[in-house]
Amino acid sequence: DGGITQSPKYLFRKEGQNVTLSCEQNLNHDAMYWYRQDPGQGLRLIYYSQIVNDFQKGDIAEGYSVSREKKESFPLTVTSAQKNPTAFYLCASSIGRLAKNIQYFGAGTRLSVL
Amino acid sequence: EDQVTQSPEALRLQEGESSSLNCSYTVSGLRGLFWYRQDPGKGPEFLFTLYSAGEEKEKERLKATLTKKESFLHITAPKPEDSATYLCAVQARNYGQNFVFGPGTRLSVLP
Repeated sequence: DGGITQSPKYLFRKEGQNVTLSCEQNLNHDAMYWYRQDPGQGLRLIYYSQIVNDFQKGDIAEGYSVSREKKESFPLTVTSAQKNPTAFYLCASSIGRLAKNIQYFGAGTRLSVL
Repeated sequence: EDQVTQSPEALRLQEGESSSLNCSYTVSGLRGLFWYRQDPGKGPEFLFTLYSAGEEKEKERLKATLTKKESFLHITAPKPEDSATYLCAVQARNYGQNFVFGPGTRLSVLP
């Protein structure tokens, strides 16, 4: 069953702690994305990757880091530099070609601060 | 400044009461407009893609249309299970393969 798997579903971060959110896809998509969703706001792009071993900053990259060592995986680390990390985090993937660039989403990870 | 807005912010309908949601955009070089449905605590689910003005797509009780400045999502005879937040997103020349999302419309359909 093809899809995007995000884990964990819920995550709690302590002061000064780095936490990593997992995103795995088996759709054979080239492009992957991380978004942050806050109540009443649209999805905001944190980082994106069009190909393995390459990624670019989105609109709100400060306090976050990513890696793309495998096509299937695009983990997001929320560092202690991110002072307001409480949000719903969504991972998406797409074929990567402009003509059919529908983004498909995982179920999300809700991050809260203890 | 490129932006995507959606109206209304929230909409309450009685079951069977048809209505429309609006997505307005000001971007240069629209490549595609996308509609998603999002249930509480879940990821967005893809509904439609529209690429050019005049295009229409339908799926069950939903119909999406596109003009040069906006898109409408028409809901005909809605049911309670249509309750969700509906998001629109645009892909434009300035953003390559990336999307710009609107804030969404929260739809509640009462039985």
